[in-house]
Amino acid sequence: DTEVTQTPKHLVMGMTNKKSLKCEQHMGHRAMYWYKQKAKKPPELMFVYSYEKLSINESVPSRFSPECPNSSLLNLHLHALQPEDSALYLCASSQVAAAGKETQYFGPGTRLLVL
Amino acid sequence: GESVGLHLPTLSVQEGDNSIINCAYSNSASDYFIWYKQESGKGPQFIIDIRSNMDKRQGQRVTVLLNKTVKHLSLQIAATQPGDSAVYFCAENIGYGGATNKLIFGTGTLLAVQP
Repeated sequence: DTEVTQTPKHLVMGMTNKKSLKCEQHMGHRAMYWYKQKAKKPPELMFVYSYEKLSINESVPSRFSPECPNSSLLNLHLHALQPEDSALYLCASSQVAAAGKETQYFGPGTRLLVL
Repeated sequence: GESVGLHLPTLSVQEGDNSIINCAYSNSASDYFIWYKQESGKGPQFIIDIRSNMDKRQGQRVTVLLNKTVKHLSLQIAATQPGDSAVYFCAENIGYGGATNKLIFGTGTLLAVQP
């Protein structure tokens, strides 16, 4: 099973709202990722968690706040977003290996619209 | 710098023909590459990967070729079917501090299969 699930599938929020995106995997992967993808563009890395600790933050604005409560779950808390933050938010997971070259498996994404 | 690019943004083929999608990478130290397929409204789906100690790898109807001399990667799809219509991304996997992965995606190629 290589399934990563994400909820909600679609989200519409105002610029003053607070919302959360959720991601779950049961493949025993200990690395989890958030990506942002704009229309007709490739995914761009936002955050990486390794063994439930934040290991990479790609200079993402603080209005995006990631959280990894356990090895299977990854959240992305959203607050005071801007319309330009509208995008497809993708979660991925992978093994953590010494070689650091394990395949990442993606979820279906959350389509976010900020009004 | 690090970049992964594609030569053709759109590829149109007839059903039953073979498709070839190309990708150039610039980081000569990269040693692991992945091809993803992304259908409309879905997350990227793993197709096939290849490590730098190989120059060819085959899957079901797909073959990936790696030419390290010219830093070129290609994905060949045999007997292309309408269900193969999607955007195809190559991705360069860069070990990040030895424990986690960072994927650098190419710009993507839209494969359109004509019946």
